[in-house]
Amino acid sequence: AQKVTQAQTEISVVEKEDVTLDCVYETRDTTYYLFWYKQPPSGELVFLIRRNSFDEQNEISGRYSWNFQKSTSSFNFTITASQVVDSAVYFCALSEPNSNTGNQFYFGTGTSLTVIP
Amino acid sequence: DGGITQSPKYLFRKEGQNVTLSCEQNLNHDAMYWYRQDPGQGLRLIYYSQIVNDFQKGDIAEGYSVSREKKESFPLTVTSAQKNPTAFYLCASSILNTGELFFGEGSRLTVL
Repeated sequence: AQKVTQAQTEISVVEKEDVTLDCVYETRDTTYYLFWYKQPPSGELVFLIRRNSFDEQNEISGRYSWNFQKSTSSFNFTITASQVVDSAVYFCALSEPNSNTGNQFYFGTGTSLTVIP
Repeated sequence: DGGITQSPKYLFRKEGQNVTLSCEQNLNHDAMYWYRQDPGQGLRLIYYSQIVNDFQKGDIAEGYSVSREKKESFPLTVTSAQKNPTAFYLCASSILNTGELFFGEGSRLTVL
């Protein structure tokens, strides 16, 4: 079973529109971490945010904001006033720390965002 | 600057040849990882290592081998046994258990 689901494969928006990227996760652990990464056309994955399972406070960083809801196992990412430079593939990820096997990371299949000028 | 260096960035290989991808980090991270990414796909874990001289298979380890002789280095060998090696390979490192992954720029392997 997929531990991290990003149901939106591709999204296109017009510049300055707001866009929300959905992420639903599945875990039985009480301690876990959630992440968002951006992959521009160059290929390198850029870390955007990390949240731990005990901190449901939403976070805002400039035009980026994240909504973490344990009740629905979701960790959605919103870009406000999108710009062409936001065009990239965005990955949501889950990690489950394990003293025996180490930190296991699970990635969603990614959402390709295109911002049209 | 601290970071992860992967080389080469682009690599072409003939069928039947082994090729080694380099990954070096100066972040003093204990854990290192190799992922494979195919077009339009997510990341799939090949191998990971938590400490020197120890590593574990990921979901798609067949046809690959690794070594971890030094903390800062985690090279990946794509062997001739790997049936479909053309892909984008990403190396990453993290602090054990709580840290996010830091990624290199990736190596794009094409088998001719």
